[in-house]
Amino acid sequence: QVQLQESGPGLVKPSETLSLTCTVSGYSISSGYYWGWIRQPPGKGLEWIGSIYHSGSAYYNPSLKSRVTISVDTSNNQFSLKLSSVIAADTAVYYCARAPAAYYFDYWGRGTLVTVSS
Amino acid sequence: EIVMTQSPATLSVSPGERPTLSCRASQSVSSNLAWYQQKPGQAPRLLIYGASTRATGIPARFSGSGSGTEFTLTISSLQSEDFAIYYCQQYINWPRTFGQGTKVEIK
Repeated sequence: QVQLQESGPGLVKPSETLSLTCTVSGYSISSGYYWGWIRQPPGKGLEWIGSIYHSGSAYYNPSLKSRVTISVDTSNNQFSLKLSSVIAADTAVYYCARAPAAYYFDYWGRGTLVTVSS
Repeated sequence: EIVMTQSPATLSVSPGERPTLSCRASQSVSSNLAWYQQKPGQAPRLLIYGASTRATGIPARFSGSGSGTEFTLTISSLQSEDFAIYYCQQYINWPRTFGQGTKVEIK
């Protein structure tokens, strides 16, 4: 069974960098598929942040592209998100997920709430 | 960017009824459309992909239809566990975009 688990600080100060890691079990990232990050501000809808292939090829949401970096660590079966210069509007539950052929998302992590506040 | 618009925002339904949720794309997405269900405090769950193909383990009471710009998700007989928010998502273009959601609540 494929499982994903997000980890990282739950509180980040404004202007700093948000860093999260997604650990995948039950499937080798090197075997294929795209791996993505999606976020959901409290009480709001879903926003796709970006997706990455095991080779490192990545796609980003243009609305966040200047601040986002997604990377993959196949040796530890993990992929990571960095979002720089965060503001209060970046407060959200951040989900990692698997995306067959970078299409839809079939397996999701439970999500982690990141609050941006001083 | 393709804008996905869902209607209605809220649907009040009694158990056993047959709700129909709508999703409209600002331009054609062919059949590159997925539906998700999200319950409070949980991650979204994939219900439908390819506009009409049920994901693994999804009950047959969930069905999707449509192509191009107009899509529907129908629940043939609403069960108590189906009260949730439902989102559509297109995957023909970057960036991937979601609708704003339809909340199915108890009438």
